[in-house]
Amino acid sequence: KAGVTQTPRYLIKTRGQQVTLSCSPISGHRSVSWYQQTPGQGLQFLFEYFSETQRNKGNFPGRFSGRQFSNSRSEMNVSTLELGDSALYLCASMFRGQTDTQYFGPGTRLTVL
Amino acid sequence: QQQVKQSPQSLIVQKGGISIINCAYENTAFDYFPWYQQFPGKGPALLIAIRPDVSEKKEGRFTISFNKSAKQFSLHIMDSQPGDSATYFCAAAYSGAGSYQLTFGKGTKLSVIP
Repeated sequence: KAGVTQTPRYLIKTRGQQVTLSCSPISGHRSVSWYQQTPGQGLQFLFEYFSETQRNKGNFPGRFSGRQFSNSRSEMNVSTLELGDSALYLCASMFRGQTDTQYFGPGTRLTVL
Repeated sequence: QQQVKQSPQSLIVQKGGISIINCAYENTAFDYFPWYQQFPGKGPALLIAIRPDVSEKKEGRFTISFNKSAKQFSLHIMDSQPGDSATYFCAAAYSGAGSYQLTFGKGTKLSVIP
């Protein structure tokens, strides 16, 4: 089975721009969660989508948004980028059955200049 | 508010030794406690996980010990190898609300020296 894929792997943007990141979950997984990883704050939960519905949202400003498509692929969008948004953005997929195991992708490294 | 506290931040262990990483949580509603391993340039990978109804779980060289009354859990890596050098994260989740949000500790950078 193919793992979680994220595109692009690296991205450089300037302040004020917006960015869209993409995540394809493992086949059969309908839950997709997004996390932000920074050296200072560690891994922080952004949001989870299941069956195209946002189930939970972390403590991030409204500039961070996401969506999920009918094929379970997910995108997250960050508008009006700030320097502090530079981070590794990780996507995790889960079957959401008897196990709570979340499988992470390699991440998208976003640098905001 | 940091709900999962992890220590130490960094750890150096001789090859063949035991690596021990500790975590403490605050929210008694947490019911799932996984450990993740992350190598540079990669996403975290699940190592082993435990639920509060058991006190210990072992998978190969990796063991989780869980103390529900103390709200603490730890990862033991037996016979540590240089290939185990990575950053380890403990996490906790509460599945009752219909979402599986993982709350992570800050991570422990493990270096296993030959």
